[in-house]
Amino acid sequence: GAGVSQSPRYKVAKRGQDVALRCDPISGHVSLFWYQQALGQGPEFLTYFQNEAQLDKSGLPSDRFFAERPEGSVSTLKIQRTQQEDSAVYLCASSFDRVSYEQYFGPGTRLTVT
Amino acid sequence: AQSVTQLDSHVSVSEGTPVLLRCNYSSSYSPSLFWYVQHPNKGLQLLLKYTSAATLVKGINGFEAEFKKSETSFHLTKPSAHMSDAAEYFCVVSLNRDDKIIFGKGTRLHILP
Repeated sequence: GAGVSQSPRYKVAKRGQDVALRCDPISGHVSLFWYQQALGQGPEFLTYFQNEAQLDKSGLPSDRFFAERPEGSVSTLKIQRTQQEDSAVYLCASSFDRVSYEQYFGPGTRLTVT
Repeated sequence: AQSVTQLDSHVSVSEGTPVLLRCNYSSSYSPSLFWYVQHPNKGLQLLLKYTSAATLVKGINGFEAEFKKSETSFHLTKPSAHMSDAAEYFCVVSLNRDDKIIFGKGTRLHILP
């Protein structure tokens, strides 16, 4: 069946531009997570949704980062006024519920800020 | 606070020999522990998980891991490495009272012909 999909797969942005990254979770999955993976590092938690509610955004590195999931399915991670340090792979994951803890990951969006 | 430490950033083994990827965790509560694999240009895939049932957990592709509370370890093993096992492996800890999961920094496994 269909897994988690993310678009675009690659994004190049000039410093100062705004970007929007999309995540389509597995249908019916309640929980959705965003992670940032810098080169050579493990993914780091950014934010978490349960349905449309953003329950934890403690990992967002600055107020330039914003995430939404208005209808409880597709989610968008927006980065305003991108900086070079924002260059990373942004991973989205979904899980059926908050109990299973088994997260299914998308392929990621590689963001390069020049 | 919870954390996870992967003791080796790179591991090289010959094809057909055993694999050992080490992971130690720190958690104030009973943790759930996972191993994920990441092949180049592919999404993270769950290998196996421990959630307070049997301490020896079997996963996909012949991998298994043993939860040792006394050693706070969750090492990943495989009896015989295959070329297709070359990838990045992440040990992950989840606090049962929290939905957040913490990734280790990863271990890159190289398989020598």
